[in-house]
This record gives sequence, C-alpha cells and structure tokens, in this order.
Amino acid sequence: QKEVEQNSGPLSVPEGAIASLNCTYSDRGSQSFFWYRQYSGKSPELIMFIYSNGDKEDGRFTAQLNKASQYVSLLIRDSQPSDSATYLCAVSSGSARQLTFGSGTQLTVLP
Amino acid sequence: GAGVSQSPRYKVAKRGQDVALRCDPISGHVSLFWYQQALGQGPEFLTYFQNEAQLDKSGLPSDRFFAERPEGSVSTLKIQRTQQEDSAVYLCASSRDRGVETQYFGPGTRLLVL
Repeated sequence: QKEVEQNSGPLSVPEGAIASLNCTYSDRGSQSFFWYRQYSGKSPELIMFIYSNGDKEDGRFTAQLNKASQYVSLLIRDSQPSDSATYLCAVSSGSARQLTFGSGTQLTVLP
Repeated sequence: GAGVSQSPRYKVAKRGQDVALRCDPISGHVSLFWYQQALGQGPEFLTYFQNEAQLDKSGLPSDRFFAERPEGSVSTLKIQRTQQEDSAVYLCASSRDRGVETQYFGPGTRLLVL
C-alpha cells in the first residue's frame, strides 16, 4: 500500500464548478500536509499547506484535514481552464521532513 | 528573489555513462532535497542536506547515486554507469530551515538514458 493515495483521475469539471481532490495517508504521525500543482513539463508549485484539523481557505482554494480519518482534500471553487493541471498531495514525514507524494490527480477544467 | 535553478535542463546519456546534475538553491536556504519523478508519478525522495551535511540518503536507489553539497549551497547529484531505469526528471527543492517545511522546487533536469 502506498503511503499517500490519490485518485489518479482524470477528473473533468466544467468552468465555474467546484473541483474536489482527495488524498489519504497511512502514517498517523504525519503532521504537515501540502498540495502542489504541476503543469505538464513543469515543476511542482506549492498551492497550500495545512497543519491543523479543519478547513483552511486561500482565495478560491480550500484545504481540509481530518487526522482521525487520515484524509486531506483540496477544493477549488469557480474552476478556471488555467487550473487544468496535475495536483499532488504531499505529506511531510521522516527526520528530514522529506515530502512523500501521491501519484497526483489530473484535473481538466472544460471551458 | 531568484528561485531554485537546475542545470542542465535536459540530458541524454548513453547507458553506462556518468552524469552530474547541478542544483542552485534559493540563497540562504539551509535545507536541500533531491527527488526523482518518473513519468506519471509523484516525486520520490532521494536525499536531504542540512547545510553541507547529508543527513538522509535513504531514498538513493543504488550505490551508483551520489550527492554532495560541499559548501552548503550548490549541490550536485551524480549518477554513475547510468541505466535505462534512471530515466526520469530529477527535482531539487530547498527550504529556509529544517523547521520551516515549505519546499520550493526547481525546474528539474530531464534525464534520458538510451
């Protein structure tokens, strides 16, 4: 079992809709959770991080964390075609705080 | 300020050749990470430096992989006797401090071993 699991997609939503991306993790001791966006051929770009249970909002993005369920999600409101990318969930673990990534969910926002 | 830079951006190597990949982290960043990203997968951790000290190399796939950061800034990832399975994008990331976990990624080096 992978340490960080994501639905690979692809996920398609119409422009203006809410996109919901989900992630589960296996290490109960994980404390920091990150969402990165990666455009094709580009490097990962940090969107949000969350440390505490509950919701964290930043513009059109909301991250949700439930440590009891070992679940973290990302909601994108008013989705735009420019949001079309692969979204990577990452969990910080280990003594080095290295990131363990899921395989990513490919999102397509249809105009 | 300038972000993380990596060179070369693309590298084609014949099987058995040695390659060296360079990473320039954000100025002043203490922590430096190397990741390997295969096509269609998320990045996978290779190794970690805090200043010049390599504190974790548990992700290096074989003893053909070697990394260094001799002066605590620029880092080099070296792969000896490259194999086809080494073909991947090699990403470097840096963060300000070990206690500050936000990592910023460079553009990556795309390595193709023929």
